[in-house]
Amino acid sequence: EAQVTQNPRYLITVTGKKLTVTCSQNMNHEYMSWYRQDPGLGLRQIYYSMNVEVTDKGDVPEGYKVSRKEKRNFPLILESPSPNQTSLYFCASRRDTEAFFGQGTRLTVV
Amino acid sequence: DAKTTQPPSMDCAEGRAANLPCNHSTISGNEYVYWYRQIHSQGPQYIIHGLKNNETNEMASLIITEDRKSSTLILPHATLRDTAVYYCIVRPLWGGYNKLIFGAGTRLAVHP
Repeated sequence: EAQVTQNPRYLITVTGKKLTVTCSQNMNHEYMSWYRQDPGLGLRQIYYSMNVEVTDKGDVPEGYKVSRKEKRNFPLILESPSPNQTSLYFCASRRDTEAFFGQGTRLTVV
Repeated sequence: DAKTTQPPSMDCAEGRAANLPCNHSTISGNEYVYWYRQIHSQGPQYIIHGLKNNETNEMASLIITEDRKSSTLILPHATLRDTAVYYCIVRPLWGGYNKLIFGAGTRLAVHP
């Protein structure tokens, strides 16, 4: 089954404690991206990757890092999380016609 | 900024057709109309896309006006599980730019 898998689904952490949200897709897609969703602000792109070792900033990249060492994986790294990064995060992979989204990671930073 | 305008909310009775409008008056010639939906904080789900001809798949139909400035997504027999936020997005089909610009969407409530 074609899918995008994110882990963890839920995470509560403390300010400043580094964390990684993993994302994996099994469709051999070249394009992957991360979004965050906040009430009243909708879905906003954080980073995207057009292929292995090719990443670029989206609209709200501050405070985040990504890497793309393999085509299937695109982890999102928060080196020093802050409360304003409390959000619902989605990973997506895309072929030209449609994007596939993961089930989301609800992150709370206290 | 989102390049589409949608009503914030709509209601539909179960079993009836849900017709969700979208205005995209500044659409370019190479831009397609895409529809996604998001069911209660789940990841957005692709529904359908089209350029200028009407399109139909197992989920929905897409009607695009001749001038391409507006479109309508039709769910022919809405069920309670179709309750979701529906997003209309315009973007080129090809190209390396990966961003989908999600606006506020239309919150569709299907009731018994």
